[in-house]
Amino acid sequence: ILNVEQSPQSLHVQEGDSTNFTCSFPSSNFYALHWYRWETAKSPEALFVMTLNGDEKKKGRISATLNTKEGYSYLYIKGSQPEDSATYLCAPRSWGKLQFGAGTQVVVTP
Amino acid sequence: NAGVTQTPKFRVLKTGQSMTLLCAQDMNHEYMYWYRQDPGMGLRLIHYSVGEGTTAKGEVPDGYNVSRLKKQNFLLGLESAAPSQTSVYFCASTPPWDVYGYTFGSGTRLTVV
Repeated sequence: ILNVEQSPQSLHVQEGDSTNFTCSFPSSNFYALHWYRWETAKSPEALFVMTLNGDEKKKGRISATLNTKEGYSYLYIKGSQPEDSATYLCAPRSWGKLQFGAGTQVVVTP
Repeated sequence: NAGVTQTPKFRVLKTGQSMTLLCAQDMNHEYMYWYRQDPGMGLRLIHYSVGEGTTAKGEVPDGYNVSRLKKQNFLLGLESAAPSQTSVYFCASTPPWDVYGYTFGSGTRLTVV
């Protein structure tokens, strides 16, 4: 079982502000890093799958970076909107399985 | 495409009762997973399957059994439900090359009283 830590546990953001949060994971036996967006009463939705050290991915106003050598990934939200309110999960893949972090809950207020 | 469909969506069981949760996917995915989600603990893997006829234990397998008789279906069974199994259960599937991430079902909320 991998020790996956996401911080902060929750954060409140004013509409229009940018924010970022962290996923830390063991760097050994690393294969890929997944990010998911999870809205209340819905199912998790895949945002990014990242595999290479230094990889950067972008989807609209959301982007992510990956450092496999030191075992961390950042997810950034630029110009937050109320529809960005969700829990964001990271999950490193090792030995064919994902290990999910507890998530960062983002609340965007108008 | 329906994607990943879970049935039922809600269920209340009495302690000691048994039930089966069904997960069906129409994407021809090889890999299927069952997770449980509890407050503050994220998603924890119960059992998974890498192909028809194969199953393997995940992080929290005790009290559950699974079967993958057909590629499109992955069943999760509770033989004798306990209050500790009150949770939201999610099924997910993916091809072996998970470049797009997992596809999740909408979840089953199970309460054991």
